[in-house]
Amino acid sequence: DVVLTQSPLSLPVTLGQPASISCRSSQSLVYSDGNTYLNWLQQRPGQSPRRLIYKVSNRDSGVPDRFSGSGSGTDFTLKISRVEAEDVGVYFCMHGTHWLFTFGQGTKLEIK
Amino acid sequence: EVQLVESGGGLVQPGGSLRLSCAASGFTFSSYWMHWVRQGPGKGLVWVSHIHSDGTSTSYADSVKGRFTISRDNAKNTLYLQMNSLRAEDTAVYYCALSSGSHWGQGTLVTVSS
Repeated sequence: DVVLTQSPLSLPVTLGQPASISCRSSQSLVYSDGNTYLNWLQQRPGQSPRRLIYKVSNRDSGVPDRFSGSGSGTDFTLKISRVEAEDVGVYFCMHGTHWLFTFGQGTKLEIK
Repeated sequence: EVQLVESGGGLVQPGGSLRLSCAASGFTFSSYWMHWVRQGPGKGLVWVSHIHSDGTSTSYADSVKGRFTISRDNAKNTLYLQMNSLRAEDTAVYYCALSSGSHWGQGTLVTVSS
C-alpha cells in the first residue's frame, strides 16, 4: 500500500511570503498510462476538502495561480508563491485514481 | 455545476446503525466511481470505501470491512453507506467524493456515543 508522508506538519508563514509543502510517497505514483496521480487538497477551517492540484501540476478551475505543484516519481511539492490570509487551513497530498484514495497526514498552514 | 450533498448523520449508540446518503447532481453520476472518506475530530482524511460506476465492484478499509456496505442507485443519482455495529471510533465527518477527488460534499457528522 502507498504511504504518503508530508513535511512539515505545521507551517507558520508571514503574509506575502512563500510557502512550500513536501509529500513523499513510499512507492512511485507513475501508472502504466503514463500519468502520475498525485493531488493536493486544501481544507479551510470548517469546510470540506477542495482539490487544488491534480496529476502533480495541473491547477483545478478557479485555483489562484499562486498555487503550483511539481515533482515526479515519489517526491512532490506544493508551493504558494505569496501566502494570503485565505490560504489558512490544512493541506493534504493525495494519491487519487478513480478507484484508490490515499492521503498524507496534512500540513497546517497558519499566519505568523 | 457538480454538487454532492450528504445526509443521514446523527447521534447513535454503540452497536447501532445509520444509513448515509449522498445526492449527486451536475454530472453523469452513472459514469463515475464514488468514494466515502471520513475525518475524525481534529484528524486527517481516511478513505472508507469505493464503488464502481455500475455498482458491480466495491472495496472497504479494513477498519469497516464487514460492518459497512456501500451502494448506489444510478436512477436516483444517489450514493449510500449503510453503517452497522457502529463503534465510538467511527465518530467522524463522512464525505462523499467523486473519483480522483475532484469534488467533495459538505460532509455529514456521525457521532457514536452512549
